[in-house]
Amino acid sequence: DAKTTQPPSMDCAEGRAANLPCNHSTISGNEYVYWYRQIHSQGPQYIIHGLKNNETNEMASLIITEDRKSSTLILPHATLRDTAVYYCIVRVVNSGNTPLVFGKGTRLSVIA
Amino acid sequence: GAGVSQSPSNKVTEKGKDVELRCDPISGHTALYWYRQSLGQGLEFLIYFQGNSAPDKSGLPSDRFSAERTGGSVSTLTIQRTQQEDSAVYLCASSSRWGGLAEQYFGPGTRLTVT
Repeated sequence: DAKTTQPPSMDCAEGRAANLPCNHSTISGNEYVYWYRQIHSQGPQYIIHGLKNNETNEMASLIITEDRKSSTLILPHATLRDTAVYYCIVRVVNSGNTPLVFGKGTRLSVIA
Repeated sequence: GAGVSQSPSNKVTEKGKDVELRCDPISGHTALYWYRQSLGQGLEFLIYFQGNSAPDKSGLPSDRFSAERTGGSVSTLTIQRTQQEDSAVYLCASSSRWGGLAEQYFGPGTRLTVT
């Protein structure tokens, strides 16, 4: 799986949009971008995934650049409960049920 | 519906003792994964099961670690002759059988402390 690079930490004011970047410059055509997050003392939680089109669900939006070498996870209205470590993971399509490879992620602190 | 459950939630053991950690996956999920997370570290893959077989055991840190899954459901991770460096949160996840896009659902973890 392609390696990802994320900033170690970010702050965001409550109610504002949190934009979390991820670089995956060696991504190949059959690899998806996944985002998970881990709130303190809990197991990781799936957020969203995408291939090349922008995606949106009830939790977040995922913006993938046209060359697919980077992406941004957007939490449109961050709340204190969004404080967590956010992991960007690149994974081969049809990898079936192979394990996730977690990097160090970005620690997002939402501030009141 | 019920999520992934793990037991015990906390385990304190003396160095040299054996421990068993249990994972109950989401009903119907055929894939089951074990990860661990040491204090302040990222998640480290240990082993995964497809049904009752384990195609990938490459993440097990030593031969003191073993895991089994029976009936395509419950899994047990066993650590023999525990060492202090085994102290970590052990996380279990499960996913459905349908294709490469299946997300993994994680349990709350078992916090193991070896004294």
